[in-house]
Amino acid sequence: DAGVIQSPRHEVTEMGQEVTLRCKPISGHNSLFWYRQTMMRGLELLIYFNNNVPIDDSGMPEDRFSAKMPNASFSTLKIQPSEPRDSAVYFCASKGTGQETQYFGPGTRLLVL
Amino acid sequence: GDSVTQMEGPVTLSEEACLTINCTYTATGYPSLFWYVQYPGEGLQLLLKATKADDKGSNKGFEATYRKETTSFHLEKGSVQVSDSAVYFCALSKAAGNKLTFGGGTRVLVKP
Repeated sequence: DAGVIQSPRHEVTEMGQEVTLRCKPISGHNSLFWYRQTMMRGLELLIYFNNNVPIDDSGMPEDRFSAKMPNASFSTLKIQPSEPRDSAVYFCASKGTGQETQYFGPGTRLLVL
Repeated sequence: GDSVTQMEGPVTLSEEACLTINCTYTATGYPSLFWYVQYPGEGLQLLLKATKADDKGSNKGFEATYRKETTSFHLEKGSVQVSDSAVYFCALSKAAGNKLTFGGGTRVLVKP
């Protein structure tokens, strides 16, 4: 079975550029989560969706960050404009109905110069 | 709010040594507790979990017991291998797993 798929795996961009991270959850899962991992702040939940609807975006740092889930098999996290402090590893995770376990993707390592 | 505290690393061990990583939590109600493991360059994988007091989660030789009286969920393994080198995260969830709160992670390095 395919796990959570994220792309790209690595992204290097310059400050001010738009960055789009992509996630394909496990088929049949109805909850999707975006996390950010940094040395300073550890793992932080940015936003999560249930049935494609954003439920809690209180972790989104600021208006430069936006996330969408147009259908059950695809989500994006966009940063516009990007800043060096956005450099981190961004993880996507998904979960099935009634399950407690979240399944994580391999992450996207973002470096903003 | 809810929080998870785990011992800071790095923890450096020799192969076949015993490993214990302490984890304590603060939460209202009855959270479920998890240990996730992150191998170098990879995402997090569920290692084990426990959903109620006195439950013991176990997997790959690792064990952890949900202790409500001490609000703890310490991770133990009796004999570690080099392949156990990773970062270990303790976490709790409420609301049916929709909000995972992670500890800061503990890096473990096992030397041959």
